Amino acid sequence: AQSVTQLGSHVSVSEGALVLLRCNYSSSVPPYLFWYVQYPNQGLQLLLKYTTGATLVKGINGFEAEFKKSETSFHLTKPSAHMSDAAEYFCAAYSGSARQLTFGSGTQLTVLP
Amino acid sequence: EPEVTQTPSHQVTQMGQEVILRCVPISNHLYFYWYRQILGQKVEFLVSFYNNEISEKSEIFDDQFSVERPDGSNFTLKIRSTKLEDSAMYFCASSEWPDTQYFGPGTRLTVL
Repeated sequence: AQSVTQLGSHVSVSEGALVLLRCNYSSSVPPYLFWYVQYPNQGLQLLLKYTTGATLVKGINGFEAEFKKSETSFHLTKPSAHMSDAAEYFCAAYSGSARQLTFGSGTQLTVLP
Repeated sequence: EPEVTQTPSHQVTQMGQEVILRCVPISNHLYFYWYRQILGQKVEFLVSFYNNEISEKSEIFDDQFSVERPDGSNFTLKIRSTKLEDSAMYFCASSEWPDTQYFGPGTRLTVL
């Protein structure tokens, strides 16, 4: 069965600092990978996705993620954090055989002034 | 930009009652899903629906749950006899292709 692990349930960064949120997947076949963001009292918004092709993918709000097959990772980064980035971030994987998204447990990002 | 919408935003019900959660997927999407998130836990897949039938369902999706697409726009999740443990945020999602799913804002279900 596929699983997604997010290291660090809470991450705090200072405004302007690098954001790094970690995600590893467990699958014999590399799945399609996604990052979603959830702002307080809102739904899940798609940030970016990797399906095939270029391993560095760019998303909305200045976020990007790099697919590394050798490390089974799909970490999310942003060069400079903004206060508005404070939210919960979910990594998710989709495999064709399961036809469903499998989510990680989420990382709550706090941005300190 | 098209969005998935869900109603109601919050539903409070008594244990044993039936609830229907409603979703309007993005109009040209063909695949529909329900997920739930119990407070403090992971988002969990419940069911996927394509071509007017269930294509996948999880162990959570037992006989108490059902889904329906009653018309060309709505997609509903029914829980026949709610339990306390059904209290959660329920998310509807839709997609044009199975992989990239767009989520609605969720319905918070509270079972008393």
